[in-house]
Formats: sequence, C-alpha cells, structure tokens
Amino acid sequence: AQTVTQSQPEMSVQEAETVTLSCTYDTSESDYYLFWYKQPPSRQMILVIRQEAYKQQNATENRFSVNFQKAAKSFSLKISDSQLGDAAMYFCAYRSYTSGTYKYIFGTGTRLKVLA
Amino acid sequence: ETGVTQTPRHLVMGMTNKKSLKCEQHLGHNAMYWYKQSAKKPLELMFVYNFKEQTENNSVPSRFSPECPNSSHLFLHLHTLQPEDSALYLCASSQGHGREVGETQYFGPGTRLLVL
Repeated sequence: AQTVTQSQPEMSVQEAETVTLSCTYDTSESDYYLFWYKQPPSRQMILVIRQEAYKQQNATENRFSVNFQKAAKSFSLKISDSQLGDAAMYFCAYRSYTSGTYKYIFGTGTRLKVLA
Repeated sequence: ETGVTQTPRHLVMGMTNKKSLKCEQHLGHNAMYWYKQSAKKPLELMFVYNFKEQTENNSVPSRFSPECPNSSHLFLHLHTLQPEDSALYLCASSQGHGREVGETQYFGPGTRLLVL
C-alpha cells in the first residue's frame, strides 16, 4: 500500500531565509503525481505545487520548488525568501489511478512557523 | 476563497442526532470529494463523486451517507455518530472526471464537527 511520510511535525524559519520541508513516500506504481498543499490557520487548503512522476525536471512555482528524487522516493519542498504569509500547515500528497482504483494519500503535515 | 463553500462551519451533535453537512462549488467542476481531517492523522479521502455518480467509497462506515444531487452540491448526512468521528470535514472539487490524477483540487473551509 502507498504511504506518505512527513517526518518533521514542525519547522521554523527566519523571514527572508530558505527552508526545506521533507516528504518521503512508498509505492510500487510508476505513474503518479505528488503534491504539496498549504493550509493556513483557519483558512482553506490550497495547492502549492505538483510534480508528475514521469517528469525528471523539478517543478517550480515562484518561491516554491521541489527536489524530486524518484529512485529515493523523496519529494521535498523548498521555500525561498520566506514570508510571514507562508506560515501554515504543509501537506505532502500522493495521487494515482491504477486498474480502476483511485488513491489519494496525504502525509500528517508539517507546521511551518515564520519568525519576523 | 468563495469557490467552494461549506455549511455549517461548526457543528456540535449528540450521538443520537441526525445532521447534514453541505458543500457547494461555484467553479463549474464535475468532481466533488469529502475528506476527514483528524488531529495528528493524515487527511482521509472518504467519498468521490464524478458527474453526480459516486465513484469511490473508501470503507467509510454507513453512519456517513453522502448525497450529490447535482455537480455543484454535495451533502454528507450524519446519523448515530461516535465521539471518534469528531474532526474537520473538508469538501473539495476538481474540474475533470475525478480520475485526472494531476488536476488541482479546490478545498472548502471545512466543517468542524464535535460529537458528544
């Protein structure tokens, strides 16, 4: 069965600095997507970035980028020039659809604090 | 943040009560989802609806009964719940058929449920 592990329950970063959130996953499938979602306090969860397993190039979205290591089953999120608004819970997620079965697995989340 | 709305935002109910959660999406999407978010546990996918048809039921107890009368509305009917069902219930929608694994899901703000 697929699993997603976020080993850092909480992280802190100084404003304007860079922080990396880790995520590892386990799967035997070859076709899947990986996502990072952000859930600010009392606000809606939003998509930060996604990565297709078949693409070797790491995805980037402005200050957010991923380090996707398919062989190591690692999918870390790097936030550059951290801002106060980046403070939130960050969830790593795995999604696949294989042989009529739809899987969408989330990690337990990492709480990011941004220090002024 | 008005794309996906959920009502009520907070709900307290006894174990013998019957209540319903409502979700509405204003994005013209075709797929809708119910998730359960419990403290310190991964987000759990409960149900998926695709063009009003239920396509996924992830072994959810029968005390949770979903209903999707049209592509814009999704309900979760609750009856004889247990205290361990207390959680944040999130609704989400996506544009495609629910099997487009790379598509973005848009989340509502959630209903915070407390079962006494």
